Amino acid sequence: GDQVEQSPSALSLHEGTGSALRCNFTTTMRAVQWFQQNSRGSLINLFYLASGTKENGRLKSTFNSKESYSTLHIRDAQLEDSGTYFCAADSNYQLIWGSGTKLIIKP
Amino acid sequence: DMKVTQMPRYLIKRMGENVLLECGQDMSHETMYWYRQDPGLGLQLIYISYDVDSNSEGDIPKGYRVSRKKREHFSLILDSAKTNQTSVYFCASSLTGDYAEQFFGPGTRLTVL
Repeated sequence: GDQVEQSPSALSLHEGTGSALRCNFTTTMRAVQWFQQNSRGSLINLFYLASGTKENGRLKSTFNSKESYSTLHIRDAQLEDSGTYFCAADSNYQLIWGSGTKLIIKP
Repeated sequence: DMKVTQMPRYLIKRMGENVLLECGQDMSHETMYWYRQDPGLGLQLIYISYDVDSNSEGDIPKGYRVSRKKREHFSLILDSAKTNQTSVYFCASSLTGDYAEQFFGPGTRLTVL
């Protein structure tokens, strides 16, 4: 069935640095959502994209439906950015979830 | 303040007991969802409700049923809970079922002993 491959599975960054997370899709997806799951387990909406690029503070996300991928860029990482990041792609009225990236920010 | 609420936040039940998880939203969203999340994994869809009394099975509906009598409320029922239903349950809502951003509640941590 439709799948979402998320990478890396884990990532460690020092404060002030940045990196990118990526999700590849095995089929055409209509939209993608990115979430942060924090230490309390809450799912925080970061982005919803049907195409193109959105930016919010230190985060930027791109969705390329033609090439079937999405990225989430984090810059100037802060301690509160720690958590697990999930992408979820909209396929046929349901969200298909990636397996998550566990992000650790070190002082 | 638009949000999705869930009650209770934590629940401990014994195997064979009935469980009722409640979800509410104040955004007049048509579509609501129930998911479960097991440790280290993403979310798995249990049921979708497209509107009042219009419910569809998700990927893992076995052992669960749902009720939606008002647009703003969506309940998940476990008749005779099993230990393998220990999980964190999330409710979500979206404006419609088609091509719409989902918003999540804070989750209910259910333990079945």
